[in-house]
Formats: sequence, C-alpha cells, structure tokens
Amino acid sequence: AQSVSQHNHHVILSEAASLELGCNYSYGGTVNLFWYVQYPGQHLQLLLKYFSEDPLVKGIKGFEAEFIKSKFSFNLRKPSVQWSDTAEYFCAVIAGYSSASKIIFGSGTRLSIRP
Amino acid sequence: SQTIHQWPATLVQPVGSPLSLECTVEGTSNPNLYWYRQAAGRGLQLLFYSVGIGQISSEVPQNLSASRPQDRQFILSSKKLLLSDSGFYLCAWSTPDSFNTEAFFGQGTRLTVV
Repeated sequence: AQSVSQHNHHVILSEAASLELGCNYSYGGTVNLFWYVQYPGQHLQLLLKYFSEDPLVKGIKGFEAEFIKSKFSFNLRKPSVQWSDTAEYFCAVIAGYSSASKIIFGSGTRLSIRP
Repeated sequence: SQTIHQWPATLVQPVGSPLSLECTVEGTSNPNLYWYRQAAGRGLQLLFYSVGIGQISSEVPQNLSASRPQDRQFILSSKKLLLSDSGFYLCAWSTPDSFNTEAFFGQGTRLTVV
C-alpha cells in the first residue's frame, strides 16, 4: 500500500533562510504528488502538484518541489522564507491512474519562522 | 464552481452518544469522497473513501462508519462515541480522474467527546 513519510516534524527558521522539507513515498508505480499548506486557522490549500511532466514543479508563493523518482522523494523548497510562511505543510501521494486511486497524506511538518 | 460544505463546525458530545457529521459537494458529479481525521503530529489519517453511491472503503479499524446515500453526500457516523473519537474531522473530494486531480477540503468539524 502507498504511504508518505515526512521526517521533519517541526522546523524553525529565521526570515530569509532557505527552506527544504523532506517527503518520501512508497509505491513502485506511477504516482502523482502534492504539497498542501494549512495556515493557522485556515483550510488546507494546495501549494503545488506533480503530474508526470517536468520533475521540477513551481507552486504559489515562491515554493517549488522536485520529484526524484530514484529516491522516491518530493522535497519542498523555498530560497528565502518569510514570517507569513509559518504554517503546517503536508505532502500527499495518489498512486496509479485509476478512479479508485486515493490520496494519502504524510504526518505534516510544522514550520515556524522567527521574524 | 465547486464547493464543499461540512457541518457542524464544532460539536461536543457525551461518551456513548451517537454521531452524525454531514458533508455535501456542489458543482460536480461522481466525485471521490474522503473522510480524514487530523491529529497533532499524525497528519491527516484517511478514515473512509468512496468512489460511488453505497461504495465505502474503510481504511482503519475504528468505532466510526461512513455512508454515501447520494452522489454528493458523505456522512460520518457512530452509534456510541468513545473519548478517543475526539479530534478534527475533514471531508474532502476529488475528481475520479486521478491523473489530473487534487483534494478539496471542507472547513472541518472539531469533535470533543466528554
């Protein structure tokens, strides 16, 4: 069965620092990958998604993620974080191209930015 | 445009009481529907998944059940709540075409069992 691992549970950075959040999935076949963000008190919203094209995906608010198939990874990056990036970040995977494919989420990474 | 409604937003229920949380989707047909539970440090745990009316997949053994009586309605239920059922429950939908889809979430329900 597919699964997603996010090994960083809580990351604390200063403003302008660079960010990389790890995400690894387990599934041997075709996958689609997502990063979602949940700002304090708000809904989950999509940051970016990968659908079998360019492995470097650009999302909203300056975020990007790189799909490395050989490493089963989809790490999220941002060159310079802002205080407003304080939020919880979730990686997710949907395995295979089937109407029965389901979206599985990781345990999340809480990001705290010091002003 | 598509919208998802989930209610109530907060709920306090005594142990042993029944539960019914409702979720409806508008503006799309034949969506895949999900119930997740969000707990601190545990991310979003998939509880139930449905690809059509009456078709429910249970992902984890638990005290809860789900039903899909109509195409765009998904209900989370329990006959007798346990303290451990407390948590934040999220309904979500996605298009059945998994090649180009994403999950869209409701506002969530904060359930406290006392």
